[in-house]
Amino acid sequence: QSVLTQPPSVSGAPGQRVTISCTGSSSNIGADYDVHWYQQLPGTAPKLLIYRNTNRPSGVPDRFSGSKSGTSASLAITGLRAEDEADYYCQSYDSSLSGLVFGRGTKLTVL
Amino acid sequence: QVQLQESGPGLVKPSGTLSLTCAVSGGSISSSNWWSWVRQPPGQGLEWIGEIYHTGSTNYNLSLKSRVTISIDKSKTQFSLKLTSITAADTAVYYCARRNNWFDPWGQGTLVTVSS
Repeated sequence: QSVLTQPPSVSGAPGQRVTISCTGSSSNIGADYDVHWYQQLPGTAPKLLIYRNTNRPSGVPDRFSGSKSGTSASLAITGLRAEDEADYYCQSYDSSLSGLVFGRGTKLTVL
Repeated sequence: QVQLQESGPGLVKPSGTLSLTCAVSGGSISSSNWWSWVRQPPGQGLEWIGEIYHTGSTNYNLSLKSRVTISIDKSKTQFSLKLTSITAADTAVYYCARRNNWFDPWGQGTLVTVSS
């Protein structure tokens, strides 16, 4: 059981907008620790998608955006494309565990 | 740019020790980054194992701390993972990654299966 809660799955049609939530607590996101997001395409290693809550690495399309408020963070994907079908993970630090934590991941299906 | 490559046995016997190495290329292992290990059991999510700084300072997942040792060899620009008292629950793809607050880049991962 992860301290960061994500929905197991989300789906959307091509062109639509979806959001993936990452809910934490006062010992991680609520303690103002940064949230990072990773995309894992089938059979590949995770890839950094969003860092420090809202920042995109070079090469990541601006269709991907991150936000953070209180004890939660969100990843939004607009203009859904078939190649966005992947697993998405949030990650932060938890002071109660004194360590780095990941959400359990959300599988995005493009209908 | 920095590239990471894991290597090690793909099959380990129960109660044995898992040993993996991550070779770092394209950058300095003595830079201001942490060098980390993350694993992913088949069909499951990501779990942080631990990390090491070039000074030798380490941080470990408390749930694995009693069984984990991470070391660094700056002369070979590589860092290593040892996990003892292995069980089937340790079967996973093991990734190495550089961490500067966030994990990036990642190695391609190596599958380690625990079986007799």
